[in-house]
Amino acid sequence: GAGVSQSPSNKVTEKGKDVELRCDPISGHTALYWYRQRLGQGLEFLIYFQGNSAPDKSGLPSDRFSAERTGESVSTLTIQRTQQEDSAVYLCASSFGGHGEQYFGPGTRLTVT
Amino acid sequence: EDQVTQSPEALRLQEGESSSLNCSYTVSGLRGLFWYRQDPGKGPEFLFTLYSAGEEKEKERLKATLTKKESFLHITAPKPEDSATYLCAVQAGSNSGYALNFGKGTSLLVTP
Repeated sequence: GAGVSQSPSNKVTEKGKDVELRCDPISGHTALYWYRQRLGQGLEFLIYFQGNSAPDKSGLPSDRFSAERTGESVSTLTIQRTQQEDSAVYLCASSFGGHGEQYFGPGTRLTVT
Repeated sequence: EDQVTQSPEALRLQEGESSSLNCSYTVSGLRGLFWYRQDPGKGPEFLFTLYSAGEEKEKERLKATLTKKESFLHITAPKPEDSATYLCAVQAGSNSGYALNFGKGTSLLVTP
């Protein structure tokens, strides 16, 4: 079946602009995660959604970052007033339940100039 | 604080030359240890989950093992197509829900 999809695949934006990144999880997966991968660094957890529960936002680095999820489908990660240090690959993953293996999308490469 | 350390950072092997990658971890209450493969420009691809010390899993030329402090990914008779970055991650009871805590990865290059 279809895997996790993300759009856009690449995004170049100017410092100070807002960006929206989209994730379509695997159908039927109740859990959805956002991670960030900066050059030379490991993946960093950002936010976790599980069904209709309140999201776990403990990994968001600042209040410029926010995310929403509609039911058990699409999620959008929004970064306001982008900074150069936000440049990274943003990865989305989904799983069937919180404890299962997470399947990742191809990522969105964000470059802030 | 939970920590995941992978070694070596980079490894170059000749085709057929077996080796092992190491993942050392310190966590409070391990829920699971995960291995992923990541090719350049792509998202991580799930390989294995290990839940308890002594557990082993195999897939083609790869075998993952787990102790209370570390995990090994053994690669037997590797081929050039095994070249990738291998990521280790832990899911622990003390951290954010079910988020994975990743190491920085081992970059593997297998030459013909």
